[in-house]
Amino acid sequence: EIVLTQSPGTLSLSPGERATLSCRASPSVSNNYIAWYQQKPGQAPRLLIYGASSRATGIPDRFSGSGSGTDFTLTISRLEPEDFAVFYCQHYDGSLKYTFGQGTKLEIK
Amino acid sequence: QVQLQESGPGLVKPSETLSLTCTISGSFINTGYFWGWIRQPPGKGLEWIGSIYHNGRTFNNPSLESRVSISVDTSKNQFSLNLTSVTAADTAVYFCARPVVRGLAARAFEIWGQGAMVTVSS
Repeated sequence: EIVLTQSPGTLSLSPGERATLSCRASPSVSNNYIAWYQQKPGQAPRLLIYGASSRATGIPDRFSGSGSGTDFTLTISRLEPEDFAVFYCQHYDGSLKYTFGQGTKLEIK
Repeated sequence: QVQLQESGPGLVKPSETLSLTCTISGSFINTGYFWGWIRQPPGKGLEWIGSIYHNGRTFNNPSLESRVSISVDTSKNQFSLNLTSVTAADTAVYFCARPVVRGLAARAFEIWGQGAMVTVSS
């Protein structure tokens, strides 16, 4: 069973800064089927990245994903005011099983 | 565009069965996707419950397997969730969702319903 651990728990940054969110998988994932979601209060999650690095439809290019094996990263190059939210990573095992990380809260400093 | 809408009782008594339906608009259920249910307890993270194909083939989270039943009604373009023997720990927002890719290559959930809050309480 894959366990995803996200860090940090909370990240405090200012608009215009660069955000780097981490998702560590244990054990290592072989298929790189890692996704990232953004969730704002009272809303459904919004898919940002799938397959570790593919942007979902309509997602601005300031959002990027990278990584392989055990370590995956979501980078937001220059934070906009609307980017502050909770972010979740998720793994798909290729056989219809999904696992989510516990989330990282990105807050305005 | 494709939209999903959850519906069902907002309050369920302990030990009873939670039942929710997801209605699809803007598309058809038999388009090759494994439609999913995900839940989120208040203030907590996301948990995948299970997924279903239009022919009724299902895959469930092993941690909920014994209590979960997901079904499909192609004539109504809907799929449904039943969760039996509920406790307060099942209190959550329940989302239905569609993956970004068809078939078993699903990868992630691209389209989500707005969510339905279900409280388990006597």
